[in-house]
Parts: sequence; C-alpha cells; structure tokens
Amino acid sequence: QKEVEQDPGPLSVPEGAIVSLNCTYSNSAFQYFMWYRQYSRKGPELLMYTYSSGNKEDGRFTAQVDKSSKYISLFIRDSQPSDSATYLCATKLDDKIIFGKGTRLHILP
Amino acid sequence: ETGVTQSPTHLIKTRGQQVTLRCSSQSGHNTVSWYQQALGQGPQFIFQYYREEENGRGNFPPRFSGLQFPNYSSELNVNALELDDSALYLCASSLAGNTDTQYFGPGTRLTVL
Repeated sequence: QKEVEQDPGPLSVPEGAIVSLNCTYSNSAFQYFMWYRQYSRKGPELLMYTYSSGNKEDGRFTAQVDKSSKYISLFIRDSQPSDSATYLCATKLDDKIIFGKGTRLHILP
Repeated sequence: ETGVTQSPTHLIKTRGQQVTLRCSSQSGHNTVSWYQQALGQGPQFIFQYYREEENGRGNFPPRFSGLQFPNYSSELNVNALELDDSALYLCASSLAGNTDTQYFGPGTRLTVL
C-alpha cells in the first residue's frame, strides 16, 4: 500500500463549479498535510498546509483533514480556468515530504 | 517566483553516462532537498542537505549523490545513468526545521537514451 494515495484523474469541471480533490494516507504517524499546485513545466507551489484535523480556509481554497479516516481533501470554490493544474497532496515524516501522484484538473471555460 | 533556480532546464544523456544538476536556493535558506518526478507521478524524495551534510535520504541507490556549498547552492550527481532515471529533477529550499514550507525550483528535465 502506498503511503499517500491520490486519484490521478484527469478531472474536468465547468468554470464556477466547486472542485473536490481527495487523498488517503496509510500511516497514522503523519502529522502535517500539504497541498501543492503544479503547472505544466513548473515546480510544485505550496498552496496550503495544515496540522490538525478540521478545516483551514484561504480565499477560494479549503483544506480538510480527517485523521480518524486518514482522509485529506482540498475544495476549490468558484473554480477558474487558471486553476487548471496538477494538485499534489503531501505529508511530512522526519523532514521528508511524501507526495501523492497528483490529480490533473481541467477547468472548462 | 520562488527564488529557487535550477540549471540546466533540459538535458539529454545516454545510458551509462554521468550527470550533474545544479540548484541555487532561496536567499537565507540553509536546507535543500532533491526530488525525482517521473512522468505522471508525484515527486519522490532523493535526499536532503543541511549545512553541507546529507541529512536524510530516500530509497535511491548510492549512484545518486549530492553536494551543498557554503553559499547554499547545491548539486545532484547521478552516475551510471539508466533509462529509468529519465525524469524531472526538482530541488526545494527551506529553513532548517521548517521543511513543511519548501520552495521548489522549476526543475531540470533529464532524458536518458
């Protein structure tokens, strides 16, 4: 079992829709959870990180962690074509970042 | 822009050759991590350097090695290249103890023929 599982997509949604991206993880020792956005031919860019269970909001983005079910989500409200990218969930253990495969997201104008 | 730069942008090598990739960290960042990202995969941790010493390593063989310099620039060296080494190589800089906030460079695309 991979440490962080993520559906690679692609996921296509119309502009303005709410996007839900999800990951599961296997190790209950994981404490920090992150979401990165990666545009084509670019390095990953940190969007949000959270430590505890619950929700964390930043503008149109909400990160959600449910440690009881080992489930991580990222919600994007009012999605824009500029949100089209690959979204990577990640966690950290002993200073090592462990990434999921990434989900390719297409926002259709 | 993150302030992290990498060179070269693209590189083509043949199997068995050696390659050196370079990274310039964000100003003031004393920790650098290197990742390998194969096509359609997430980045895989190779190793991390802090104060010019290796400070953690992922599941990569010894032919992957690195250096960090006093000015916080760093290198990734790969010997005896294999076809499976074809990937995007990313470096990320951070402050020690704060590696959950890493800043990635744009990567070097390595193709091994």
